[in-house]
Amino acid sequence: EVQLVESGGGVVQPGGSLRLSCAASGFTFDDYAIHWVRQVPGKGLEWVSVIRGDGGETYYAESVRGRFTISRDNSKNSLYLQMNSLRTEDTAVYYCARDWAFDTTGYTFQHWGQGTLVTVSS
Amino acid sequence: EIVLTQSPATLSLSPGERATLSCRASQSVDNYLAWYQQKPGQAPRLLIYDTSNRATGIPARFSGSGSGTDFTLTISSLEPEDFAIYYCQQRINWPPMFGQGTKVEI
Repeated sequence: EVQLVESGGGVVQPGGSLRLSCAASGFTFDDYAIHWVRQVPGKGLEWVSVIRGDGGETYYAESVRGRFTISRDNSKNSLYLQMNSLRTEDTAVYYCARDWAFDTTGYTFQHWGQGTLVTVSS
Repeated sequence: EIVLTQSPATLSLSPGERATLSCRASQSVDNYLAWYQQKPGQAPRLLIYDTSNRATGIPARFSGSGSGTDFTLTISSLEPEDFAIYYCQQRINWPPMFGQGTKVEI
């Protein structure tokens, strides 16, 4: 069974930093791209970032580019999101989501974690 | 970027009724459209990918259709567990974008 478990959320002041983690199991981790998708409570879904299975390519939404960094450690079956220069508008539940496509990036989100809440507030 | 507009915003129906949800794209997404279901306090769940393909474990009462700019998710006979928010999402154009959602309520 595919499982994704996020951690690292919390309350941080504007301008601060936070590092999210996503622990994966139930599949061959380095065969799949993994995404971060966020959701402001009570609002819609916004794609944030993706990293390919081998970690060789990364892409970011315009709203986070230059502030967030996605990475992965395939030896630990783990995904990370380093978030710097946080803004109040970054407040959201952050989900990690496994791509559906094997060995490429299909941008369809087949498996999701339960999410971790990030609150940016003074 | 491609904007997806879902309608209606809210659909009020009863168990056993048919639900028809619409997703319209601001430009063609070919058939690269997916549908997700989200229940309160839960992560989204993939229902349909590439317009009409049911994801693993999704019941046959869920079906998707359309092409180009107009797409439909149909739930043939609503079960109590189907009352949720449904999102469409395109993947033909970067960045991948979601619609704003349709809430199916009792």
